[in-house]
Amino acid sequence: DAKTTQPNSMESNEEEPVHLPCNHSTISGTDYIHWYRQLPSQGPEYVIHGLTSNVNNRMASLAIAEDRKSSTLILHRATLRDAAVYYCILRELVTQGGSEKLVFGKGTKLTVNP
Amino acid sequence: GAVVSQHPSWVICKSGTSVKIECRSLDFQATTMFWYRQFPKQSLMLMATSNEGSKATYEQGVEKDKFLINHASLTLSTLTVTSAHPEDSSFYICSARRPGVSLSPLHFGNGTRLTVT
Repeated sequence: DAKTTQPNSMESNEEEPVHLPCNHSTISGTDYIHWYRQLPSQGPEYVIHGLTSNVNNRMASLAIAEDRKSSTLILHRATLRDAAVYYCILRELVTQGGSEKLVFGKGTKLTVNP
Repeated sequence: GAVVSQHPSWVICKSGTSVKIECRSLDFQATTMFWYRQFPKQSLMLMATSNEGSKATYEQGVEKDKFLINHASLTLSTLTVTSAHPEDSSFYICSARRPGVSLSPLHFGNGTRLTVT
């Protein structure tokens, strides 16, 4: 999997939007951008993924730069339950029989202040 | 609700003993499951890929004789830490994805915290 770079930590206030950046300058044309998050003492959970267009779901929005070398995960209104480590991962679309494993970087630890 | 279940959620064992951790996919069949390990304040490290009906594929530096993986059915993979030592104390997490849909998300278990005394 190609490399991603994220800030080690970020802080936000409750009910304010949060923009979590991710740089992936070596992204290839077949790499999808995935975001997972890990709450304390739990396994990671899927947040969102995209290829080129911006994506929205019930948890978050994903804004992808036109050149795809960076992306931003947007939490529209942070809650205390959003405090977690957020991982930005590039995942290649592979054909049948290929590896589907995910390689995690260090992620961004998000602290949400009440 | 959870779609991947791990058991136990925590275990304490004595040095030299073996510990088995189970990972089950609850409402889908998983031909492939992944085992990760996470030390405190560090990221997840992929240990191995568990393949139903065949041998597991281990990542570089992971001892296959120490971390035995068995994927005997389409819904169950087990990781056995043999002859555990204090340095094996860690958070072990398994994951699987629903088959048939490319790029479907990986579902993770809630992890097993192993403490070796």
